[in-house]
Amino acid sequence: DVKVTQSSRYLVKRTGEKVFLECVQDMDHENMFWYRQDPGLGLRLIYFSYDVKMKEKGDIPEGYSVSREKKERFSLILESASTNQTSMYLCASSLGGINQPQHFGDGTRLSIL
Amino acid sequence: SQELEQSPQSLIVQEGKNLTINCTSSKTLYGLYWYKQKYGEGLIFLMMLQKGGEEKSHEKITAKLDEKKQQSSLHITASQPSHAGIYLCGADIRHSGYSTLTFGKGTMLLVSP
Repeated sequence: DVKVTQSSRYLVKRTGEKVFLECVQDMDHENMFWYRQDPGLGLRLIYFSYDVKMKEKGDIPEGYSVSREKKERFSLILESASTNQTSMYLCASSLGGINQPQHFGDGTRLSIL
Repeated sequence: SQELEQSPQSLIVQEGKNLTINCTSSKTLYGLYWYKQKYGEGLIFLMMLQKGGEEKSHEKITAKLDEKKQQSSLHITASQPSHAGIYLCGADIRHSGYSTLTFGKGTMLLVSP
């Protein structure tokens, strides 16, 4: 079974802090994704990566950056956290190519105070 | 951009009853995915449909993609409390030339004893 592990289930940070969310997958998947999920807005794609050191902006990249130094690890960075970044963050991975399902981690519920 | 509309938004059924959730796309679907999410957790992949008229089943859950490939339905037979959760449909789209997913806002299912 695919295992996507997110480093924290719950996280509380303060406004202005730099926040790191880590995601690791153990199935040698080429593709990795970061989403946020908010009531009424559904899942929205923040960033994705199709290869090591490669990144592409999703629909809502503002205020975020990512890092993929190794194939199995994809990090989401909140450069200067703000209260409107309080959300559920979900990481996913998939094999390369089309028609490949994405497999999700358990999510990180992030609160910015 | 492609949009997915799910109906109903929420559903309460009595244990043992059948139910159907619909996912309608504004454009032709080339890959349609069904996921289940328990509140506060990650998404669990259920099924993927690609071909018009395709139907797949897993235990008591059946998903279909219509011939015109613009609508999919998820049918649960003899619902159980374990079926409760949020069901999301996702569709393959192109983002910056790469294959990603867009999601519907989800259908919340409650199963009463």
